[in-house]
Amino acid sequence: AQSVTQLGSHVSVSEGALVLLRCNYSSSVPPYLFWYVQYPNQGLQLLLKYTTGATLVKGINGFEAEFKKSETSFHLTKPSAHMSDAAEYFCAVSRYSSASKIIFGSGTRLSIRP
Amino acid sequence: EAGVAQSPRYKIIEKRQSVAFWCNPISGHATLYWYQQILGQGPKLLIQFQNNGVVDDSQLPKDRFSAERLKGVDSTLKIQPAKLEDSAVYLCASSRFGPRSSSYEQYFGPGTRLTVT
Repeated sequence: AQSVTQLGSHVSVSEGALVLLRCNYSSSVPPYLFWYVQYPNQGLQLLLKYTTGATLVKGINGFEAEFKKSETSFHLTKPSAHMSDAAEYFCAVSRYSSASKIIFGSGTRLSIRP
Repeated sequence: EAGVAQSPRYKIIEKRQSVAFWCNPISGHATLYWYQQILGQGPKLLIQFQNNGVVDDSQLPKDRFSAERLKGVDSTLKIQPAKLEDSAVYLCASSRFGPRSSSYEQYFGPGTRLTVT
């Protein structure tokens, strides 16, 4: 069975500071990993994903994440936070299977202080 | 291209009433998903369609929830009768490629916020 744990339901950083959102996964097979962002009253938007290949993945809006198999982690980072980054962020896991579904974490709400 | 469309955006009903949600996926996307997102939680898959066939409905409460995807395009999700714990946002998503493709990605609609009183 697959699962995702997001450490910290709420993270607050100052504008311009480093953003680090933590995600650990559990999977018995090589995973596909995703980060989604959800703005208020909107659906989810894909930030980035890891399927195969390079373990450092770059996404939209300056975000990136690194797949670390030894640590079963897929943490999301951004060097400099912007006010527009305030949103809910979801880490998710899937696997290479025609019938696989995406399992979402419980989410981390990111707040940006002026 | 147009995104995933959902309606209504908001719905308030009393318990034991019925409600239906509609989803129109992105054109050409064979796979359609319905998720339930309870406040403070991540989305939970209710049902997955491949064209008009059900791939996974293991987490759909079948005693009260039903879904169909006629002609492999639009889909409706129905709750009858509704309970207080059904209050949530119901998200529809679609994908063109399956999980075996490196291009696999789900595109989400804006959701329908259901409040059951």
